[in-house]
Amino acid sequence: DAKTTQPTSMDCAEGRAANLPCNHSTISGNEYVYWYRQIHSQGPQYIIHGLKNNETNEMASLIITEDRKSSTLILPHATLRDTAVYYCIVRVGNQGGKLIFGQGTELSVKP
Amino acid sequence: GAVVSQHPSWVICKSGTSVKIECRSLDFQATTMFWYRQFPKQSLMLMATSNEGSKATYEQGVEKDKFLINHASLTLSTLTVTSAHPEDSSFYICSARGPSGRGAGELFFGEGSRLTVL
Repeated sequence: DAKTTQPTSMDCAEGRAANLPCNHSTISGNEYVYWYRQIHSQGPQYIIHGLKNNETNEMASLIITEDRKSSTLILPHATLRDTAVYYCIVRVGNQGGKLIFGQGTELSVKP
Repeated sequence: GAVVSQHPSWVICKSGTSVKIECRSLDFQATTMFWYRQFPKQSLMLMATSNEGSKATYEQGVEKDKFLINHASLTLSTLTVTSAHPEDSSFYICSARGPSGRGAGELFFGEGSRLTVL
């Protein structure tokens, strides 16, 4: 599975959009981009995933560049409860199912 | 969404004893579950893949005789830390692939089990 690179930490003001970048320059054509987050001392929570097209759900939007070498997770109106570590993971969608976690981005939403 | 539950949430044990952690898929069947370990300030590390009705597949460097995994039913996988030592103290997290139809195999995670070995 392709490796991802994320900033170690980011701050965001409450109510503003949080844009979390992820680089995955070695992604293969059959690899999906997944985003999970982990609030302190809890299990990870699925946020969103995509292959080529931009995706949106009730939690967030995922913007994938045309060459698929990078993506951005957007939390449109960040709240204090969005403070967590956000993991960007790429893997083949239907192969084995296991996820290999990198270091993620620690997002701090501040009042 | 699909719910995965772990028990116990936290456990304290003496060095040399064995501890069993359960992972259950509450509202769906999971033929495959995954066990992770997480040390403080670190990311999740995949330990093994638990397959219903067959032997678990361990990641490189994980001792299979130390971390016994049993997946006896479609809704339950157990991880037993045998002869636990203080260095085994960690946050253990399980996950299961969601039911078919959810698309591209998203995984659902349990709440985690914090093990402290004295």
